[in-house]
Amino acid sequence: GAGVSQSPRYKVAKRGQDVALRCDPISGHVSLFWYQQALGQGPEFLTYFQNEAQLDKSGLPSDRFFAERPEGSVSTLKIQRTQQEDSAVYLCASSVHRDGTSTDTQYFGPGTRLTVL
Amino acid sequence: QKEVEQNSGPLSVPEGAIASLNCTYSDRVSQSFFWYRQYSGKSPELIMSIYSNGDKEDGRFTAQLNKASQYVSLLIRDSQPSDSATYLCAVLSGGSYIPTFGRGTSLIVHP
Repeated sequence: GAGVSQSPRYKVAKRGQDVALRCDPISGHVSLFWYQQALGQGPEFLTYFQNEAQLDKSGLPSDRFFAERPEGSVSTLKIQRTQQEDSAVYLCASSVHRDGTSTDTQYFGPGTRLTVL
Repeated sequence: QKEVEQNSGPLSVPEGAIASLNCTYSDRVSQSFFWYRQYSGKSPELIMSIYSNGDKEDGRFTAQLNKASQYVSLLIRDSQPSDSATYLCAVLSGGSYIPTFGRGTSLIVHP
């Protein structure tokens, strides 16, 4: 079946602009994660959804970052008033969350590379 | 603070050799361990998962877990130039769904 998709793949924004990044998880996957990956670093957790519920947003770096998943499928990560330090690859991942164990593996989308000028 | 440590490398090995990648973690209650491969400019791709002490083999890949020493390793036998990538270690604690990733080890397999 189709994997996780993200759009746009590349986004260039001027400092101060708002951006919206979209994630389409694998159909039927309950769990959805957003990560930020800076160059040369591993993915850093931003936020986690179980269906439409945002269960953890402890990784969001500031109140300029906002994520939603209103119908429990597609998710949007919004960054307001972008800053240069927001430049990174934003990865979305989904997992089945079949029985609530921690053995669920995550499947990543291709990411959105955000460059803030 | 949960930490996952990896040597950033690069680790350079000749084609056909065994590449050994290591990862240590700080959280003693960690239960699930994953190795992802990430090619430059691409997203992470899961290659191995391991949940119990010992070795787990899948083709040319072997994951080794030692919970007492809090390390997990990945061995790649008969390394190929196509194995050149960054290998990310991810660790999941019991009851959590949020993995902690290491920064990754860059592997270069030269002909």
